[in-house]
Order: sequence, then structure tokens, then C-alpha cells
Amino acid sequence: GDSVTQMEGPVTLSEEAFLTINCTYTATGYPSLFWYVQYPGEGLQLLLKATKADDKGSNKGFEATYRKETTSFHLEKGSVQVSDSAVYFCALSDLGQGYQKVTFGTGTKLQVIP
Amino acid sequence: ETGVTQTPRHLVMGMTNKKSLKCEQHLGHNAMYWYKQSAKKPLELMFVYSLEERVENNSVPSRFSPECPNSSHLFLHLHTLQPEDSALYLCASSQDWGRANEKLFFGSGTQLSVL
Repeated sequence: GDSVTQMEGPVTLSEEAFLTINCTYTATGYPSLFWYVQYPGEGLQLLLKATKADDKGSNKGFEATYRKETTSFHLEKGSVQVSDSAVYFCALSDLGQGYQKVTFGTGTKLQVIP
Repeated sequence: ETGVTQTPRHLVMGMTNKKSLKCEQHLGHNAMYWYKQSAKKPLELMFVYSLEERVENNSVPSRFSPECPNSSHLFLHLHTLQPEDSALYLCASSQDWGRANEKLFFGSGTQLSVL
């Protein structure tokens, strides 16, 4: 079945540092790929998505490129801020039995210190 | 404001209690979902409803009973739970359930503790 593997956290960075959170996936079809973010005490929010190979999703300075050859969708940001501290979830979405089935990774906690 | 509201935010219950979680979406979406979020585990999809009809029951024990009276409301009825059922229960909705690139809108969740 489908699966998502993302790097374990927590990840601790200083403000303005470069961020990479690795994500790889296994899927039988041609999934759409997502990054969701969860701030403390809140539900998940969509950060960015890519629906086909070589697509780049971007939002709020975050980017991720759909790499079919390496089955990866790594999240990057050039300069993190304290307000980026949250848990980041990589996910893939496929049509399973006629409906959208979303498979999530375990989440990576990011802590940015001033 | 994501447009998906869950109540209560926190719930503590004994193993013999019966309680219900409520989810309401104000987005006009056609699909609603229940997820379970446990520490250090991926989100687990529990149930999927499309236009008030259940389309997926992901091998969830019968002590969890969902109800979708209309397209805006989703309930999760709980009875005789176990301590390992303690988790954050998230409700989500999407515009359509039949496309793979739909964005999910999540509520803030109900943090459940079973004593």
C-alpha cells in the first residue's frame, strides 16, 4: 500500500537558518503530494501541494518539488523564522476505491530559536 | 478560521462512559472525515462520508460509531473505550471526495483522554 516516510524530529534551528525536511513516498499510482503544517493547539493546514512530476509547490517562502525519479518531496525554506515553529506533515493523496485517500507521514517537529 | 469547528476541545472519560464528538463545517463541502492522531504515529483515517453516506470504515472497532445527519455535521459516538484510544481526534472536510488533489480542511481537534 501507499506510505510516506519523513525525517524524524525534532529539528532545532536558529532564526534565518536554511531548512530541509526530507520526505519520500511509496505509491502504486500517480499521487498528488502535499505538505501540511500544524501549529500548537490547532488542526492541520495545507502549506503547499504538487499534483504531477516536476511540479514545484510553494507558499510563505516554503518550496517542495515533486521528484518522481527519487519518489521524494522534500520541504525547503531559505530563512526560517520563530513563527515557523510547528509540526510539518508530508502526505500523498490517491484515489482508493473511488475516493480520495490521503496517507500521512509521522510529522516532523520544527523548533526555531531566536 | 478554517471553517471546520470541533467540540469539545478536550474530553476526559472513563471506560464505561458514553460521549460524542461533534464536527461542523461551514464550507459547503461534500466530504467529511474522521482522523485519529496519536503521538509518533501517522494520522490514521477512520471514516469517510460523502454526501452523508459512509464510503469508508477503515477497520475501526465498533466502540467508535460515526453519524452524519447532513452534509454539514459529523459526529463520533464513543462507548466503552480503552486507554489506548486516548488521542487527538481530527475532523476534516473537502469539496469533493472523488479527486486525488483535493485540499483537506481540518478542525482543531478534540483531545481525548480515557481513564
